[in-house]
Amino acid sequence: GDSVTQMEGPVTLSEEAFLTINCTYTATGYPSLFWYVQYPGEGLQLLLKATKADDKGSNKGFEATYRKETTSFHLEKGSVQVSDSAVYFCALSHQGAQKLVFGQGTRLTINP
Amino acid sequence: DTGVSQDPRHKITKRGQNVTFRCDPISEHNRLYWYRQTLGQGPEFLTYFQNEAQLEKSRLLSDRFSAERPKGSFSTLEIQRTEQGDSAMYLCASSLGGGASDEQFFGPGTRLTVL
Repeated sequence: GDSVTQMEGPVTLSEEAFLTINCTYTATGYPSLFWYVQYPGEGLQLLLKATKADDKGSNKGFEATYRKETTSFHLEKGSVQVSDSAVYFCALSHQGAQKLVFGQGTRLTINP
Repeated sequence: DTGVSQDPRHKITKRGQNVTFRCDPISEHNRLYWYRQTLGQGPEFLTYFQNEAQLEKSRLLSDRFSAERPKGSFSTLEIQRTEQGDSAMYLCASSLGGGASDEQFFGPGTRLTVL
């Protein structure tokens, strides 16, 4: 069945550092790919998405590119802020199934 | 606020008791989803509705679990004869359409603790 694997956390960085959170997936066909974020005390929010190969999703300085050849959707940000501290989830969805399949999440802490 | 709401936010119960959770989706959203999240893991799909029709149920949804969306608006998730393994965060989400790229909006969750 479909699955999503994220890099193990927690990840701790200093403010203004470069961020990469790796995400790879196993799925048949051409799923849509998502990054969701959960800030402390809040519900899951969509951060960005990509629906086909080579698409780049972007939002709030974060970017991720749908790489079908490597089945990856790595999340990147050039300069992180303390306010980016949260848990990040990579997920996929199929047109037929619609349900989201999530990775295990990566906790990110940014120190000032 | 017109986001997804869930009630209660926290529930503590004794093993063997029945519990019921409620989810109110964003108005006019046709799709409603239930997920379960245990500590340190990502959410796992349980079931979803298109209006009032329950279209898919996960293998995780044992016979003790039942979900309804009687008028295509709010939904309830009932767990009968709770077990300690049912302790988790139960998340509800809704979306306007059914496309794979449609954004699902999540509620704050109901945290269940079974003693």
